[in-house]
Amino acid sequence: DQQVKQNSPSLSVQEGRISILNCDYTNSMFDYFLWYKKYPAEGPTFLISISSIKDKNEDGRFTVFLNKSAKHLSLHIVPSQPGDSAVYFCAASRWDAGGTSYGKLTFGQGTILTVHP
Amino acid sequence: NAGVTQTPKFQVLKTGQSMTLQCAQDMNHNSMYWYRQDPGMGLRLIYYSASEGTTDKGEVPNGYNVSRLNKREFSLRLESAAPSQTSVYFCASSIASEQFFGPGTRLTVL
Repeated sequence: DQQVKQNSPSLSVQEGRISILNCDYTNSMFDYFLWYKKYPAEGPTFLISISSIKDKNEDGRFTVFLNKSAKHLSLHIVPSQPGDSAVYFCAASRWDAGGTSYGKLTFGQGTILTVHP
Repeated sequence: NAGVTQTPKFQVLKTGQSMTLQCAQDMNHNSMYWYRQDPGMGLRLIYYSASEGTTDKGEVPNGYNVSRLNKREFSLRLESAAPSQTSVYFCASSIASEQFFGPGTRLTVL
């Protein structure tokens, strides 16, 4: 049972254009979402996150949108650069009533982004 | 400040052999995790340790054991390796939801 799904295994984009990576989840208990970026032969690195009390979070060229009713989030990269070429994972977690994170993340399968010069 | 370190980087085992993957973090994080990454599967949680002295099973714990040696170190042991355990293994640590990952260990079981 895949609770977090990234249905596009790959995405190819021209440099300077927008990249949109999508992620769907099924568990309504998830209330914190993260995007990680992974280069070959390296560990994933944190990119951006969003809490379920928000519907948008921006950090420079990266924006994450959350649609709770659709259980869908997306990562927008504008403008895309060749250095953005990597595997992108979305991940989800939940916080307990005391505000302490359970800490466990559930990851999607990943999307390979290729940005062409 | 090295972050999360993992040893070894690569390992080849024969079926039935045992080995321990080592992980250490220098960020004073309470929680540590072991994941495996397989093609088309994303990262799947094997075991985690919410704090020193505690460990708990994740999504795919069968065939593995862990030890939280102290706050810094969290090891993963394969007692009798199987070809299905061929994978890339990542250790991570966190103090909240954002997890910091090591560079990974690529393990092949023949």
